[in-house]
Amino acid sequence: EAQVTQNPRYLITVTGKKLTVTCSQNMNHEYMSWYRQDPGLGLRQIYYSMNVEVTDKGDVPEGYKVSRKEKRNFPLILESPSPNQTSLYFCASSLSGAWTEAFFGQGTRLTVV
Amino acid sequence: AQKVTQAQTEISVVEKEDVTLDCVYETRDTTYYLFWYKQPPSGELVFLIRRNSFDEQNEISGRYSWNFQKSTSSFNFTITASQVVDSAVYFCALSEAVGQGGSEKLVFGKGTKLTVNP
Repeated sequence: EAQVTQNPRYLITVTGKKLTVTCSQNMNHEYMSWYRQDPGLGLRQIYYSMNVEVTDKGDVPEGYKVSRKEKRNFPLILESPSPNQTSLYFCASSLSGAWTEAFFGQGTRLTVV
Repeated sequence: AQKVTQAQTEISVVEKEDVTLDCVYETRDTTYYLFWYKQPPSGELVFLIRRNSFDEQNEISGRYSWNFQKSTSSFNFTITASQVVDSAVYFCALSEAVGQGGSEKLVFGKGTKLTVNP
């Protein structure tokens, strides 16, 4: 089954404790991206990747890092989480770019206390 | 810069009513793509439609229809004879094409929450 898998689905952590949210897709898609969803703000792009070893900032990259060492995986790293990063996070993949249909993961609800 | 505006924050209708969700976009590129995504109460995001800037034909899929008008930079979504299962947050999104030096970004509107009451 074609899918984008994020883990964990729910996470509560403390300020400053490094964490990684994993994202994996099994569709051989070139493009992957991370979004955060906040009430009243919709979805905002954090980082995206056109292909292996090619990543770039979206609209709200501060406080996040990503890597794309393999085509299927695109982890989101919060080196020192802060309460303002409490949000619902979505990973997505598309066949060849942001102009193609995006397939989204189930979401990760992160709470930083 | 790309921008998508969904002015309607929340809409509430009674089942079987028709409802139109508005989407207005801004872009400097002549080649771009527009999308609608649905987020039901369960939280997942589901693709509904993609339109490129050169195709202004309206599209109909069952009870769903989309009206793309470049002259007004709008890409509106109409649900005919709404049903309770249509209750969701609907997002409009815009992506500029790479070929003209545009970004690889996908910009979303803030979403419209539709509630269909029985």
